[in-house]
Amino acid sequence: QVQLVQSGDEVKKPGASVKVTCKASGYSIISYGINWVRQAPGQGLEWLGWINTYTANTNYAQKLQGRVTMTTDTSTSTAHMELRSLRSDDTAVYYCAREFKYYDVLTGYYIPGLDIWGQGTTVTVSS
Amino acid sequence: EIVLTQSPGTLSLSPGERATLSCRASQSVSSRYLAWYQQKPGQAPRLLIYGASSRATGIPDRFSGSGSGTDFTLTITRLEPEDFAVYYCQQYGSSPPMSTFGQGTKLEIK
Repeated sequence: QVQLVQSGDEVKKPGASVKVTCKASGYSIISYGINWVRQAPGQGLEWLGWINTYTANTNYAQKLQGRVTMTTDTSTSTAHMELRSLRSDDTAVYYCAREFKYYDVLTGYYIPGLDIWGQGTTVTVSS
Repeated sequence: EIVLTQSPGTLSLSPGERATLSCRASQSVSSRYLAWYQQKPGQAPRLLIYGASSRATGIPDRFSGSGSGTDFTLTITRLEPEDFAVYYCQQYGSSPPMSTFGQGTKLEIK
């Protein structure tokens, strides 16, 4: 069964760091990229960044540049997202999601879609 | 950064009716890089449509996507009770890989 299982909920103080773990099973983690997405209470989805789990190349949302690091440990099939200098507005549910690439035989292009999602990790930032 | 604007913010319909949800981009988006997701309360999002018009695995054929350029549409024919949820569109940029989501459309039972 293909799934992503995330680490447990976290409560952090402002200024601290948090590291969320996302363990892949049922497929090889290096076959597909991992995206990270968060959702503040009562709000919409916010894309945080992407990691190529094979090359370790990353790209982060501009607003998080300098505070976020995404990594992969291929030996344990696990992706990590670390967010530093936490603020109250970082309070959210954090999701990892597999970026599947569908092959379009007509055009020869690969078309992305976030097809498998973790269950979410609630990060609460409060003094 | 490409901004996606979804409309309406809330759509009130009855089971059996047809729903039309809009996603408008601030600049042209390749159809290959436009996806739709459904999210129910307390759950992770679920991929419905990729490449603007292709249904993901297991998605019923009452869901369809269309559009190009800056205007995209998700249509749900014959609404079922389980379709009432929040729907998000998402676009990808390919170089560098970036992405944004629309703010969502809440589909509620009338």
